Amino acid sequence: QSVLTQPPSVSAAAGQRVAISCSGSSSNIGTNYVAWYQQLPGTAPKLLIHDNDERPSGIPERFSGSKSGTSATLVISGLQTGDEADYYCETWDSSLGGGNLVFGGGTKLTVL
Amino acid sequence: DEQLLESGGGLVQPGGSLRLSCVASGFTFSTYSMTWVRQAPGKGLEWVSTIHGGGVNIYYTNSVRGRFSVSRDNSHNMSFLQMTSLRAEDTAVYYCAKTKGYCGISTCHYYIDVWGRGTAVNVSS
Repeated sequence: QSVLTQPPSVSAAAGQRVAISCSGSSSNIGTNYVAWYQQLPGTAPKLLIHDNDERPSGIPERFSGSKSGTSATLVISGLQTGDEADYYCETWDSSLGGGNLVFGGGTKLTVL
Repeated sequence: DEQLLESGGGLVQPGGSLRLSCVASGFTFSTYSMTWVRQAPGKGLEWVSTIHGGGVNIYYTNSVRGRFSVSRDNSHNMSFLQMTSLRAEDTAVYYCAKTKGYCGISTCHYYIDVWGRGTAVNVSS
């Protein structure tokens, strides 16, 4: 059972927009910054968003992040078949014995 | 180009031990925290441990505390994960990861900007 809650799966048609939610609490998302990762099948995860809404160099503007209260959202616009992957949110949780990095359970994106 | 390469995975019996190594290149190793993340077959990502650049501040997830020990050798750009009393539920791909961020007075920024390819650990009799 993950501390951060994500929908197990989402789907949308190519070219459309999809939002993936990540719900937490005051000790994690409510206090700390959120990152998002993309994991293509059979590969290591890749950083998409850090500090709630910052894109590393090389990440397309189609990927955007936001945070409000104890929830965060990853939005992918102009969906492409290559975006089919698992997506994970991550943050620091300040309540668990001094601190822990925590991940969401992951969301599988299907591009129709 | 920043890179991480893990090694040391394999098949081990329940109750056994294994030592994972991670060698870094392309960045100033001693100035970054290093994190170990694992992924059980068909499951999501699970944080295991983080060690700060100086090697003093160390954190573990509850399920491995007391069994796993993380360390680093900044002179050789390496991080290690010593795993003992291994259980079937420790079976996973273990990733070594360069970690950026810090905790300020009221908030923490921590994220992983470079991942290794992972090394597979299989705990089975």
